[in-house]
Amino acid sequence: QSVLTQPPSVSGAPGQRVTILCTGSSSNIGAGYDLHWYQQLPGTAPKLLIYDNTNRPSGVPDRFSGSKSGTSASLTITGLQAEDEADYYCQSYDSSLSGVVFGGGTKLTVL
Amino acid sequence: QVELVQSGAEVKKPGASVKVSCKASGYTFASHDINWVRQATGQGLEWMGWMSPTSGNTDFAQKFQGRVTMTRDTSISTAYMELSSLRSDDTAIYYCARGNFDSRMDVWGIGTTVTVSS
Repeated sequence: QSVLTQPPSVSGAPGQRVTILCTGSSSNIGAGYDLHWYQQLPGTAPKLLIYDNTNRPSGVPDRFSGSKSGTSASLTITGLQAEDEADYYCQSYDSSLSGVVFGGGTKLTVL
Repeated sequence: QVELVQSGAEVKKPGASVKVSCKASGYTFASHDINWVRQATGQGLEWMGWMSPTSGNTDFAQKFQGRVTMTRDTSISTAYMELSSLRSDDTAIYYCARGNFDSRMDVWGIGTTVTVSS
């Protein structure tokens, strides 16, 4: 049971938009700690996709966007492409646990 | 370019210890914490802890306290993670990742596979 909750899977057709929700609590997202998103392509290490809730590192397409509200955050991917098929993880800091926490991960399937 | 290069795969017997290295290059080693994250086959990411290369201070997830040690050798910009009393469920890929003040991990090693089997 992960501290941050994500749906196990989402799917969408090429060109469509998908949103992945990450739900936390008052000791992590709700406490104001930054929320980050990672993309993990099959057989590779995770890659930072969104940091500090809404920011994209250099090189990440603007098709990827993040938002945060209250105790939840979301990752939105527009104009889905086959290469977006991957696992996506949210991550923050939790004050009750005094450590980093990850969501359980969401597998994105491009139909 | 900024890079974290990890040591090679390990096979260990239950009860043994494993030590994984993570060599940093392309940036000032002392300027960023090093996190260790593991991933069992088909499972999600699990944070193990972090270490400050400057002070050597560490902080571990409760699950690993007493069983994990994180050290560094600043002369060669290398961090180490040692996990003891290995069990079969410690079989996983172990990643090191560069940390930042806001907890984000912006550079990752390619991972080190640790297999625990009798």
